[in-house]
Amino acid sequence: QKEVEQNSGPLSVPEGAIASLNCTYSDRGSQSFFWYRQYSGKSPELIMSIYSNGDKEDGRFTAQLNKASQYVSLLIRDSQPSDSATYLCAVIFKAAGNKLTFGGGTRVLVKP
Amino acid sequence: EAQVTQNPRYLITVTGKKLTVTCSQNMNHEYMSWYRQDPGLGLRQIYYSMNVEVTDKGDVPEGYKVSRKEKRNFPLILESPSPNQTSLYFCASTPNPTPPSGYTFGSGTRLTVV
Repeated sequence: QKEVEQNSGPLSVPEGAIASLNCTYSDRGSQSFFWYRQYSGKSPELIMSIYSNGDKEDGRFTAQLNKASQYVSLLIRDSQPSDSATYLCAVIFKAAGNKLTFGGGTRVLVKP
Repeated sequence: EAQVTQNPRYLITVTGKKLTVTCSQNMNHEYMSWYRQDPGLGLRQIYYSMNVEVTDKGDVPEGYKVSRKEKRNFPLILESPSPNQTSLYFCASTPNPTPPSGYTFGSGTRLTVV
């Protein structure tokens, strides 16, 4: 069983729409969750971190966390072609020595 | 500029020829880690280091070595590379994983072993 699961996509959204990405994780004791954006051939870039249940907003990005359901999501509002990338969900598993474990990523395509 | 620097960016080598990929960070981070990224398998941790002289295996350590003699440097050593080590490698660092904060990644090293 994968520890961090994401739909690989591609998730195709029209320009200006909301892109909704989902992530589930296996360790109920996890406390720290991150979303990274990765352009093809480039390094992952941290865009959001979230530690408490609820929503956290940063510009056009909103992260949502539900620890009871072991679920974290990312919303991208007013999607732009420059948002086309792979989005990686990452979780720190306390039971594994605070290792940062990544999901496989969701590829997002924003069409003009 | 705060950054993680990896070298080289691209490397083609032959099976069995020892190589080192360097990683250096200028942020005084305690925690450093190496990942490899392969299509369909995502990012997998190879080794990590909590501080100087403290290293430990990640999920896929076979065929790799690391050392942490100085806080800023965390080289990845392939003593006898094999074609299944062809991959995209990333070094990452963070101030301290407890409490956790985001990792900063290097630009990556694309390694091809023929």
